[in-house]
Amino acid sequence: GENVEQHPSTLSVQEGDSAVIKCTYSDSASNYFPWYKQELGKGPQLIIDIRSNVGEKKDQRIAVTLNKTAKHFSLHITETQPEDSAVYFCAASPPGGTALIFGKGTTLSVSS
Amino acid sequence: GAVVSQHPSRVICKSGTSVKIECRSLDFQATTMFWYRQFPKKSLMLMATSNEGSKATYEQGVEKDKFLINHASLTLSTLTVTSAHPEDSSFYICSARWGSKETQYFGPGTRLLVL
Repeated sequence: GENVEQHPSTLSVQEGDSAVIKCTYSDSASNYFPWYKQELGKGPQLIIDIRSNVGEKKDQRIAVTLNKTAKHFSLHITETQPEDSAVYFCAASPPGGTALIFGKGTTLSVSS
Repeated sequence: GAVVSQHPSRVICKSGTSVKIECRSLDFQATTMFWYRQFPKKSLMLMATSNEGSKATYEQGVEKDKFLINHASLTLSTLTVTSAHPEDSSFYICSARWGSKETQYFGPGTRLLVL
């Protein structure tokens, strides 16, 4: 079955710097890759997603890139702000309508 | 994005009692709902998948008699933790999607503490 690896597990940056979180997946048939942000004590919130027919997607300060050949995708946050501090999860969707497979999460800390 | 609610947000119960958690999709019809469990500083662990009107599919290692899931309508799924014990204390989160869409929207979670 699908397996998703996420790195790094923790990431500390200064306000204004960029942050990059990387994920790899194992099932080449997976075709949908969302990213979620989870703040302490809350449920995950979808922040951006990408489908396998697209190589890059951007939404303001957030962008996601996908390399299908290498089976990896990355989240890029530019001009980080303290409110970006949270746990970020990547996920992959295997074909067949099954549940998302999540990475182990990255704790991002943005210091001012 | 779509809105998913959970109730209650927090619950404290005595060991041996049962607790019901509700998950509602507020502005769409959720043909599929998922229940996750999350331990502190850990990722989401899928417990079961429920499709409206049919029995839930449980992940390996999850006791179906312990965690009863009902998805009686397109907007409501419930998780009942039966005969709860302290080791069942955790953060339970539901998510929902509709039709063949892959996007899942998560609820805010329910913090369960069993004394």
